[in-house]
Amino acid sequence: EVQLVESGGGLVQPGGSLRLSCAASEFTFKLYAMSWVRQAPGKGLEWVSGISGSGGTTDYADSVKGRFTISRDNSENTLYLQMNNLRAEDTAVYYCAKDGQWLVQGGLDYWGQGTLVTVSS
Amino acid sequence: QSVLTQAPSASGTPGQRVTISCSGSSSNIGSYSVNWFHQLPGTAPKLLIYSNNQRPSGVPDRFSGSKSGTSASLAISGLQSEDEADYYCAAWDDSLNGVVFGGGTMLTVL
Repeated sequence: EVQLVESGGGLVQPGGSLRLSCAASEFTFKLYAMSWVRQAPGKGLEWVSGISGSGGTTDYADSVKGRFTISRDNSENTLYLQMNNLRAEDTAVYYCAKDGQWLVQGGLDYWGQGTLVTVSS
Repeated sequence: QSVLTQAPSASGTPGQRVTISCSGSSSNIGSYSVNWFHQLPGTAPKLLIYSNNQRPSGVPDRFSGSKSGTSASLAISGLQSEDEADYYCAAWDDSLNGVVFGGGTMLTVL
């Protein structure tokens, strides 16, 4: 069974940084695109960023472009999200999700349990 | 405001058939596959339909998806109490170079 386990969430002050990790197992990690999707309290889903299977293609939502960086280590089967210059509106549960294809297309067939990021002073 | 438009709520009685709609544009639904997710309170979303009308293994055939032009629909037949959840549509958008989600539809089983 595919497993995605996020870690790295927590409380951070506005302007601070945080690095999320997502450990993947039980599938050939390098063959699939991965995405980060977030959900603010009481709100809907918002796609944040995606990366192709090789890591050569990355995409970002306008709301995080220039502040967040997605990356992956295919030798360690791990996905990352480096979040800098955090704002209160970045407060959300962050989900790691596996795409069904090599490139990000939105067919997110497996999701982690999520990790909460709270940006507050 | 979400790029894909969904009604915020829908409802039905047990056994009934309900439809949830998702409206987009030529840069997303009009050009790319639509995917549907459902989310129970306090849990992670789950893929329900991919590539417009394909069900992942384990998803009952009570759930079906369709697409026409720049709109898509999710139909649930034989409604059950456990279907009460939030439902989201999503698609790639080539104007934004990213995945866009609908705002979500909260389905209530009366």
